[in-house]
This record gives sequence, C-alpha cells and structure tokens, in this order.
Amino acid sequence: GENVEQHPSTLSVQEGDSAVIKCTYSDSASNYFPWYKQELGKGPQLIIDIRSNVGEKKDQRIAVTLNKTAKHFSLHITETQPEDSAVYFCAALYALNFGKGTSLLVTP
Amino acid sequence: DTAVSQTPKYLVTQMGNDKSIKCEQNLGHDTMYWYKQDSKKFLKIMFSYNNKELIINETVPNRFSPKSPDKAHLNLHINSLELGDSAVYFCASSPGPTGYNEQFFGPGTRLTVL
Repeated sequence: GENVEQHPSTLSVQEGDSAVIKCTYSDSASNYFPWYKQELGKGPQLIIDIRSNVGEKKDQRIAVTLNKTAKHFSLHITETQPEDSAVYFCAALYALNFGKGTSLLVTP
Repeated sequence: DTAVSQTPKYLVTQMGNDKSIKCEQNLGHDTMYWYKQDSKKFLKIMFSYNNKELIINETVPNRFSPKSPDKAHLNLHINSLELGDSAVYFCASSPGPTGYNEQFFGPGTRLTVL
C-alpha cells in the first residue's frame, strides 16, 4: 500500500519566520496532494492542495510545491502567526493515506 | 448550518459494550468516510461509501460495521468494545470518490473504553 512519510513531527518557530513541512510518498499513481490543518478539538480542514500537473501553488502565506520525479511535496508557510499553531497533515494516493502529522508551534 | 455533523461528541463506555456513532452531511456529497485517530494523532481510513455502497474497507475488525441508510448518512456501529478502540473517530465527506476531491471532516467523536 501507499506509504506517506511526513517530517518533521514537531516544529517550533518564532512568529514571522517561515515553516516548511515535507512529505514523501511511494506510489507513482498518486496524483492529488492535499494539506490539512487540525486545530485542537476539531476535525482536519483543507488549507491547500495540488494536482500532479502543477509544480507549485500559492494562496497568500501558504504554498505547496510538488516534485513528482522525487515523489515529494512540501508545505511552506511564510510570516507565521500564533494562529498557525496546529497539527498539519499531508495525504497522498487518492488522498486517503495521511502522513503522521506535524505539530507546529508558533511562538510570539 | 453544520456541513458534517457527528453525534455524540463524547462517548464513555465499558469494555464489551456495543455503541453507535452517527454522521450526517448536508453538502450533497456522494462519498462518506470513517477515520480513526489514535492518541498519537495518526489518521487512518477505516471505511468509505459512495452512494450508499461500500467502496473501501481497510483492515478493520469485523466488530466495526458501517451502515449508510442514504447518501447523507453514514453510521458506525461497534460491537464488543475493547480498550484499543479508544480513539477519536472522524466522519468525512467528499463530492465524489476521493482522488481529486477535498474531504470535509466532522468535529470528531472521542470514544473512551474503560
């Protein structure tokens, strides 16, 4: 089955700094790569996604890059704010296989 | 107003009991899912239904039985509860079978088996 590796498991940054989370996947059939944000006590919510025919996508402070050859994709958050603190999940292969999550802490 | 709702939000029960969790979505989506999130936050797909038909059934003990009475509902019944079933269970829905579709998650049901 699909294996999705996500790193790092925890990330602490100062407010205003950038944060980068990386995921790798094993099955080249994967063609849709979403990123979800899960706040404490809530369900995951999609923040950005990318399809295999695109290498990069941006939405304000959030961007996702995809390297299909190397089978990895990354989430980039710029100008981090305390409200960005949450657990972030990537997913691959029909978006059903999730990475193990990255707990991001943004300190003021 | 809620897109994907689950009841109950919290469920505390004894080992060996049978319990159900209900899920409803008002988004008009065709596909619904159940996920289990353990104490380490790992999210694992359990089941997926498309138009009331089971399309994904991961290696889940047969004590877990999903039921979809219609497209908008996907309930989860668990028999003979075990300590290891303690987790947060999330229901989700998407416009069609996943692959290119965002999933919309419910708020979760925290199940504690004593």
